[in-house]
Amino acid sequence: EAGVAQSPRYKIIEKRQSVAFWCNPISGHATLYWYQQILGQGPKLLIQFQNNGVVDDSQLPKDRFSAERLKGVDSTLKIQPAKLEDSAVYLCASSLGAGRTGELFFGEGSRLTVL
Amino acid sequence: GNSVTQMEGPVTLSEEAFLTINCTYTATGYPSLFWYVQYPGEGLQLLLKATKADDKGSNKGFEATYRKETTSFHLEKGSVQVSDSAVYFCALTSSGNTGKLIFGQGTTLQVKP
Repeated sequence: EAGVAQSPRYKIIEKRQSVAFWCNPISGHATLYWYQQILGQGPKLLIQFQNNGVVDDSQLPKDRFSAERLKGVDSTLKIQPAKLEDSAVYLCASSLGAGRTGELFFGEGSRLTVL
Repeated sequence: GNSVTQMEGPVTLSEEAFLTINCTYTATGYPSLFWYVQYPGEGLQLLLKATKADDKGSNKGFEATYRKETTSFHLEKGSVQVSDSAVYFCALTSSGNTGKLIFGQGTTLQVKP
């Protein structure tokens, strides 16, 4: 079974530039998550999708971050304009459904460095 | 809201030593508890889980017991190997049953031969 695919693996940009990350979840997984992991910290949820719809985006900095999940499959996370503090690993995860016992499957992450 | 606190790392052990990584939580309701592991160069993967009080999760020689009375979910292994070197994250489901996980800050384990 193919895992969660993310690209690019690494990206270096200057502040105020824009960047986009792509995620392809495991086939059949209805729920998709984007987490931000700053060095030395645990992952923090940015946004959660259930199929096409947003379940939770309470911690997404909406003035600069946006995400979409067209057709309930692939998802894109965009940052525009980037700030120095956005340097982090962006993790995509998916699960069969939302709920308290489900396992999340994570991709390898996209590492962003903002100079 | 729900939160998780893990012991600070890094933890450095010799091979075959006993491992404990402490995890305590604050939660409303009845969260599920998880340990995830991140090996060098790889993505996060589920190590074990427990969904109700007194449940014991186990996998690959690791164990953790859901202790509601002490709000803890400590990770243990009787004899660590060099291949266990990784970052370990304790996590719990948030209130509201959305599936969202809240993670601790992670504990780095280094096992020396």
